Amino acid sequence: GQQVMQIPQYQHVQEGEDFTTYCNSSTTLSNIQWYKQRPGGHPVFLIQLVKSGEVKKQKRLTFQFGEAKKNSSLHITATQTTDVGTYFCAGPRNAGNMLTFGGGTRLMVKP
Amino acid sequence: NAGVTQTPKFRILKIGQSMTLQCTQDMNHNYMYWYRQDPGMGLKLIYYSVGAGITDKGEVPNGYNVSRSTTEDFPLRLELAAPSQTSVYFCASKGQGVNQPQHFGDGTRLSIL
Repeated sequence: GQQVMQIPQYQHVQEGEDFTTYCNSSTTLSNIQWYKQRPGGHPVFLIQLVKSGEVKKQKRLTFQFGEAKKNSSLHITATQTTDVGTYFCAGPRNAGNMLTFGGGTRLMVKP
Repeated sequence: NAGVTQTPKFRILKIGQSMTLQCTQDMNHNYMYWYRQDPGMGLKLIYYSVGAGITDKGEVPNGYNVSRSTTEDFPLRLELAAPSQTSVYFCASKGQGVNQPQHFGDGTRLSIL
């Protein structure tokens, strides 16, 4: 079945450093979604990418969808303590009615 | 709008007890999901529903049951609770359409002792 892998599993950064998490799918995706889960919280939808090679920005966050639509990345420029949390990518399956979530990347930021 | 509401927020059960985790959404979403998240891990799908009266198993359905009698409600039943079911349980819903995001409730933190 479809598998979605994320690396790294954990990342410690100093505040102000950049951060990147990578997402790889075993199958071609029609789209990819990114979610953020703050410590003790629930996943919250951040963004969706649909087109091959698409790049979207949200302030300091840059999301990319690979040309082959099998991988994606999230890059945070100049991390802040408010960026702390776990970032999940998710790919659709079952005609888009379900999501396969990656294992997540937990970001910790030292002030 | 409240979105997705889960109750209770916390619960401690003894081994062998049963309970129902409640989930309700006010967005008129057809699709609803139950996930479990073990400490430091990702989300595993337990059951899902594509509409009232229709449910289906996800990746880890053993030990759980669901029902969907209305569009709004999607309760998850644990029968004969076991320590392996200690986890955080999230309910989510999604509107019609392939590209719709999932909206999550705050979760229920369940410990089985």
